[in-house]
Amino acid sequence: AQKITQTQPGMFVQEKEAVTLDCTYDTSDPSYGLFWYKQPSSGEMIFLIYQGSYDQQNATEGRYSLNFQKARKSANLVISASQLGDSAMYFCAMREWGYSGGGADGLTFGKGTHLIIQP
Amino acid sequence: DTEVTQTPKHLVMGMTNKKSLKCEQHMGHRAMYWYKQKAKKPPELMFVYSYEKLSINESVPSRFSPECPNSSLLNLHLHALQPEDSALYLCASSQPPGQGAGELFFGEGSRLTVL
Repeated sequence: AQKITQTQPGMFVQEKEAVTLDCTYDTSDPSYGLFWYKQPSSGEMIFLIYQGSYDQQNATEGRYSLNFQKARKSANLVISASQLGDSAMYFCAMREWGYSGGGADGLTFGKGTHLIIQP
Repeated sequence: DTEVTQTPKHLVMGMTNKKSLKCEQHMGHRAMYWYKQKAKKPPELMFVYSYEKLSINESVPSRFSPECPNSSLLNLHLHALQPEDSALYLCASSQPPGQGAGELFFGEGSRLTVL
């Protein structure tokens, strides 16, 4: 079973609009972290925002916020006032502190959402 | 500037060559990773080196071999690769689980082409 599911392969958004990128996850580990990364065409993975499983409040970092709904196992990324430079692949990822299922430490990524901001 | 440095940025090699990808971090992190990323796909974990212990993704073929000379360096040795191994190879580092937020810091990647 997929641990991270991103259901939007691609999105087109008008500049200055807000955009929500969906992410759901699956884990039996009570302690985990959820991350969003941006990957421009250059290939570098840029860390955007983090949410811990025990955090009570939704994380925010500048124009990025994470809508964390633990009961629904969702961790959607919201980008406010989108800019042309936001065009990129966006990956949701999870790190399980107890490595549930016998896996190794590290991030497990969703398939990504290709976001294109139109002027 | 990224704090994880990968060299070379681009590599073209034949199937009989032996080459290495290098990765260095100076953030004092105790865990380092190699990921493989094919075009339009998410990164897939290949190796983890954490507290001097190596963990291997069992699906990774033996023509890839990691080497960790010290806690700030993680090399990936390549031998007898196949064209399907052409991909972007990403190195990352982080604090081990339980220390800090736990985000991975990635290098800019090494784009490998196998002819």
